[in-house]
Amino acid sequence: DTAVSQTPKYLVTQMGNDKSIKCEQNLGHDTMYWYKQDSKKFLKIMFSYNNKELIINETVPNRFSPKSPDKAHLNLHINSLELGDSAVYFCASSPWREGMNEQFFGPGTRLTVL
Amino acid sequence: LAKTTQPISMDSYEGQEVNITCSHNNIATNDYITWYQQFPSQGPRFIIQGYKTKVTNEVASLFIPADRKSSTLSLPRVSLSDTAVYYCLVGDGGGATNKLIFGTGTLLAVQP
Repeated sequence: DTAVSQTPKYLVTQMGNDKSIKCEQNLGHDTMYWYKQDSKKFLKIMFSYNNKELIINETVPNRFSPKSPDKAHLNLHINSLELGDSAVYFCASSPWREGMNEQFFGPGTRLTVL
Repeated sequence: LAKTTQPISMDSYEGQEVNITCSHNNIATNDYITWYQQFPSQGPRFIIQGYKTKVTNEVASLFIPADRKSSTLSLPRVSLSDTAVYYCLVGDGGGATNKLIFGTGTLLAVQP
């Protein structure tokens, strides 16, 4: 009965490859997010989706593209992977209501680009 | 954007009360203040949220002064299991201009 799940947990790949990370939430939330946490532990938001509409894009390279097939899923596609993309990527979800922003995070996907 | 600043690390002993302060000088009128806890190899977990004055739940208290330019997370009687990174988040939970800024995080180390 995991609330927010991500697959895979670990991803090791070569520079230049294209990869995807999947995220699913069973909480019935309207908003989902992708975060990147680098080696210094800075947690930066990349995208958020509300009812399948992108509402945040924090200067993320266009090699990164979120795809939301339905309200319960927000997948992250990354093209032409670079060494600097190595990080832990977290998916999160939250209900969409005024002023409240409790986010539920997934376990993370550790991406290593060689 | 309401940038946040926190101490990089703090040390404490079991049984003590710990107060972690976050500065957010440019907080907007619609912004809420939320604190998260993160253990190694796990995603952040919600602790507490507030808008002004004081909020208390079963695990922590959040103190927000009238000017809202800072906030203090208070953990009563910490234990070893409270060793984690604590993040301060400032943002508006709704609306098209949702901007979520996490602080740099504070590593709390609780010793026996």
